[in-house]
Amino acid sequence: EAEVAQSPRYKITEKSQAVAFWCDPISGHATLYWYRQILGQGPELLVQFQDESVVDDSQLPKDRFSAERLKGVDSTLKIQPAELGDSAMYLCASSRDGAMNTEAFFGQGTRLTVV
Amino acid sequence: AQRVTQPEKLLSVFKGAPVELKCNYSYSGSPELFWYVQYSRQRLQLLLRHISRESIKGFTADLNKGETSFHLKKPFAQEEDSAMYYCALGGYNKLIFGAGTRLAVHP
Repeated sequence: EAEVAQSPRYKITEKSQAVAFWCDPISGHATLYWYRQILGQGPELLVQFQDESVVDDSQLPKDRFSAERLKGVDSTLKIQPAELGDSAMYLCASSRDGAMNTEAFFGQGTRLTVV
Repeated sequence: AQRVTQPEKLLSVFKGAPVELKCNYSYSGSPELFWYVQYSRQRLQLLLRHISRESIKGFTADLNKGETSFHLKKPFAQEEDSAMYYCALGGYNKLIFGAGTRLAVHP
C-alpha cells in the first residue's frame, strides 16, 4: 500500500542552525501539505502545494521557513535559523487533488528538537 | 475565518459505555468535515467524512449546520478505540484541524 514518506524521523539541532525535512507524497497526488504539530495541539497548516505551486502559505513564518516542491513531486521544508520554539512534529500529507472532500494521507512525521 | 473547536482534551470511559466526542466549527460556506484518528505509534488517518454518511468501526458523525457541530458518536466503546481523535474542516482550499481529544477506554 502506498504511503507518504518523510525523513528524517527525528532531528536534534542547535538553536540558530539550519534544518531541512523531506517528504515524498503518494505517487500521483497533486496536493501536498506541511503541518506543524506542537505537543498537545492539533496539526497547524504551514503550507499547501497544488502540483508545484503554493496554494496557501499564510501561516508559514517566511522570515525563517521556506518550502519548495520543484517538480511537483517531493518537497522540502527548511528552517533557518532554527529557534527553540520550533521544536515540534512536522507532518507531511498528500491528497489526490485539492478538492476539500478528498482524503489526506499523512506521513509518520519528523520530530524536531531544538536545543 | 474557519475554525475547529474540540472542547475536551480527554474523554475517559469504560468499555461498553457510549461515547460522544464533540466538534464545533466556524465557517461561512458549505463545510467539508472529517474525523481523523491517531492510534498509538501510528500515523494520522482518516476515520470518516460527513459526505460519505457512513459508519466506520461503529462510529458515526452527523453534520448539524444549525448548531455548527459534527460530533463523533459510538454506542458501545471498545478498548481498541483508545486513541487521539481530530476533527478537521475543509474549506477555502485549506484543511484545518482541531486540537484533538484523547479517548481512553478502560476495561
